[in-house]
Amino acid sequence: AQKITQTQPGMFVQEKEAVTLDCTYDTSDQSYGLFWYKQPSSGEMIFLIYQGSYDEQNATEGRYSLNFQKARKSANLVISASQLGDSAMYFCAMREDFSGGYNKLIFGAGTRLAVHP
Amino acid sequence: EAQVTQNPRYLITVTGKKLTVTCSQNMNHEYMSWYRQDPGLGLRQIYYSMNVEVTDKGDVPEGYKVSRKEKRNFPLILESPSPNQTSLYFCASRSRARKETQYFGPGTRLLVL
Repeated sequence: AQKITQTQPGMFVQEKEAVTLDCTYDTSDQSYGLFWYKQPSSGEMIFLIYQGSYDEQNATEGRYSLNFQKARKSANLVISASQLGDSAMYFCAMREDFSGGYNKLIFGAGTRLAVHP
Repeated sequence: EAQVTQNPRYLITVTGKKLTVTCSQNMNHEYMSWYRQDPGLGLRQIYYSMNVEVTDKGDVPEGYKVSRKEKRNFPLILESPSPNQTSLYFCASRSRARKETQYFGPGTRLLVL
């Protein structure tokens, strides 16, 4: 069964430093997608970045980049120049595809990031 | 503005009292789904719908019902809520053509006493 593992329940980082949030996945599919979402204390799910399994370049969105290592089945999120507003819960998710075109997201347990001034 | 809306945002209820959480999207998306979020478990899919009148169970469907009578709406129904359904619920939608994009609603915090 597909699975997402986030091994860091909590992380601390100093403001302006970079931080890497780990995510490993398990799938036998060739076609899949990997997502990172941010959940602030207000509760909403904010989409950060997406990586398709066939994308050769690592995805980047502003200060966010996804370190995609397909052979190792890892999809770590790198946040450069951390800001206090980055303090939140971060979820890694994988898109599981089904016949008929439907797919669903499988989520990891999340990593809570605290940015210190 | 493209969005998924959920109502109510917060709800406190008692065991056994039927309730409905509404979900609506204005993007003409075919696919809609419901997830629940619990500490240490991330989000888990409850039910999904591929189009009007087409729904199916996700990973944790027990105790829930859904309907899809209109393309924009996908209500979640708890016929007889129990305390173990206390959770944060998210509705999500996406276009059939765009696998890389999933829109989430703002979430509904439910407490069942």
